[in-house]
Amino acid sequence: SQTIHQWPATLVQPVGSPLSLECTVEGTSNPNLYWYRQAAGRGLQLLFYSVGIGQISSEVPQNLSASRPQDRQFILSSKKLLLSDSGFYLCAWSEPDLNTLAKNIQYFGAGTRLSVL
Amino acid sequence: DAKTTQPTSMDCAEGRAANLPCNHSTISGNEYVYWYRQIHSQGPQYIIHGLKNNETNEMASLIITEDRKSSTLILPHATLRDTAVYYCIVRESGDDKIIFGKGTRLHILP
Repeated sequence: SQTIHQWPATLVQPVGSPLSLECTVEGTSNPNLYWYRQAAGRGLQLLFYSVGIGQISSEVPQNLSASRPQDRQFILSSKKLLLSDSGFYLCAWSEPDLNTLAKNIQYFGAGTRLSVL
Repeated sequence: DAKTTQPTSMDCAEGRAANLPCNHSTISGNEYVYWYRQIHSQGPQYIIHGLKNNETNEMASLIITEDRKSSTLILPHATLRDTAVYYCIVRESGDDKIIFGKGTRLHILP
């Protein structure tokens, strides 16, 4: 069965420090991968998604970046964190669209709660 | 922007059916309706999806109106563990991404 791992679960970082959050998926090949952020009391905001190795689409301009160095690995990074980067970061995966099936259901990790102080 | 409109919050008594409405008046013919929920401090969880026909699984039922401009998610016997934010989403089969709106915060009352 497929599983998604996201770490760390919580992180406290000072302003201006770098960030690296990692997400890995097991049990599937060539998944679509996603990074979302949820600020306190707000909805989910899509940050990046990837349909293959080295392919990254950015949804929101910001000081964050994403990389996909391996098929089932998705990394969210920042060179210098801002206070506004605090939030709940979620990684998700879905099967690639197959034929005309509409089962692009996303499966989410447990999330990383980031506090920038 | 999300293509759906949902009430901000709802209450439901434990053991009763919870009926969560969603308006998607601009839905196109090839867009599906998906429902997810997010329990506090967890990642969202897929519940159910449908195109035109009503759907049922072990978690819930989805009722889609004939004109497809609205739908209702039904939790037949709500429990305290069903307290969560419920998101109604429309998307095409070829879409690579989901746009989450603000959802409905469902409180199950003991």
